Amino acid sequence: DAGVTQSPTHLIKTRGQQVTLRCSPKSGHDTVSWYQQALGQGPQFIFQYYEEEERQRGNFPDRFSGHQFPNYSSELNVNALLLGDSALYLCASSFQGAGNTIYFGEGSWLTVV
Amino acid sequence: AQSVTQLDSQVPVFEEAPVELRCNYSSSVSVYLFWYVQYPNQGLQLLLKYLSGSTLVKGINGFEAEFNKSQTSFHLRKPSVHISDTAEYFCAVTQLRGSSNTGKLIFGQGTTLQVKP
Repeated sequence: DAGVTQSPTHLIKTRGQQVTLRCSPKSGHDTVSWYQQALGQGPQFIFQYYEEEERQRGNFPDRFSGHQFPNYSSELNVNALLLGDSALYLCASSFQGAGNTIYFGEGSWLTVV
Repeated sequence: AQSVTQLDSQVPVFEEAPVELRCNYSSSVSVYLFWYVQYPNQGLQLLLKYLSGSTLVKGINGFEAEFNKSQTSFHLRKPSVHISDTAEYFCAVTQLRGSSNTGKLIFGQGTTLQVKP
C-alpha cells in the first residue's frame, strides 16, 4: 500500500515564476492538506481540500492556490514566486472522520533564486 | 485560535539515557494532540496521538506521552534512547469540529533530539 506520494522531490525556480507541486494521497483517503515548512521551522498549514473544494485555508496569500481531482489527488500552485517561498512543501492525507490519522508525504523541496 | 509551544529547541542526551521533550498548547476548544518525528530530508511520521481516554499514550519506537489537561501539556518521553532516535520532533494539535478532526494541524517549532554515543 503506497503512502502519500509527492512530485517533484526537488526543484529550483526563479523569482516571479510559477510552480506546480503534485500529491497522491494514501489509498482510501479523501482529504488532502498542504503545509509549508521553512528551514528550521514547524510546518504551517496552507489549505485543505475535500470533495474537490477548498475547505479550510491558513494565512497564505492568494498566490497560493490548489486543486483536488476526482481521484483525490491534488496540486499546489504558487504564482509570482518570492525568495521567501523557498521551503519544503508537505502534502498530508487523511480520511474524513473523528480521530483519523493524518499521513505525510516526503515533501517537495522548492528553492527560489 | 490554537497554539503550540515546544519548550526546548535542542535536547542533547547520551545513548541509553531517558529523555523528555516538552510541549504545551493553548486552545479554547477541545483538541486532539499528536507527536510527529522528522528524520533528515524526510517527511513527518506519526509517533503517537491522544484523542480521548487514558491520558498516557504509547506510540511507536518505545515513545510515550502524557496528556495533562490542567497544565495543557503533552510531554513526550522515552526511557532509553538510541542513536537512531536523533531527529526533529514536532508536537501538534488539531481542533475538533463536533466529534470530528478538522484535519488542520497546528505545529510547534520543533525540538532537535541529539543522541550522543
